[in-house]
Amino acid sequence: RKEVEQDPGPFNVPEGATVAFNCTYSNSASQSFFWYRQDCRKEPKLLMSVYSSGNEDGRFTAQLNRASQYISLLIRDSKLSDSATYLCVVNSGNQFYFGTGTSLTVIP
Amino acid sequence: DGGITQSPKYLFRKEGQNVTLSCEQNLNHDAMYWYRQDPGQGLRLIYYSQIVNDFQKGDIAEGYSVSREKKESFPLTVTSAQKNPTAFYLCASSINELHEQFFGPGTRLTVL
Repeated sequence: RKEVEQDPGPFNVPEGATVAFNCTYSNSASQSFFWYRQDCRKEPKLLMSVYSSGNEDGRFTAQLNRASQYISLLIRDSKLSDSATYLCVVNSGNQFYFGTGTSLTVIP
Repeated sequence: DGGITQSPKYLFRKEGQNVTLSCEQNLNHDAMYWYRQDPGQGLRLIYYSQIVNDFQKGDIAEGYSVSREKKESFPLTVTSAQKNPTAFYLCASSINELHEQFFGPGTRLTVL
């Protein structure tokens, strides 16, 4: 079983739409959770950390559900510039485990 | 500027040759990591180091070697024993093993 699983998509949404991504993880002892954004042929960049109480950064909201072992990312009012691949990352022990990424394309 | 750098950006190698990829950070981070990414796949951990002069194998260490002689530097050598070395190689660093990672711009290695 993979440590982290994501729906690969692709998600194609119109500008202004709200879109949500989920990610499940297998290790209940996981300690840190993150969402990264990766543009085509570029390195991943940190979008936001995910805290137990949930957290928001502008149009982006991240949530953690430890009981069901998943994290989510909600993007409101999608912009063309949000088009990218979104990676969920879970830290277990000394290692970070990456999902394969969910592809998002925002359409004019 | 603080950050993490990798060089070269593109690298071509003939089969049977070893090649070393550079990774430098001036963020004063203790932990450093090497990943490879293949098309349509997630990042896979090659090696990581939590402190100078110490490093651990990741999930796909075979055919690779590293050193950590200085806090700022974590070079990766891709040896001729690596069967499928063509990939996008990413170096990352973090304050420690619990905090977020920051990535360098990556090196695209192509074996001809």
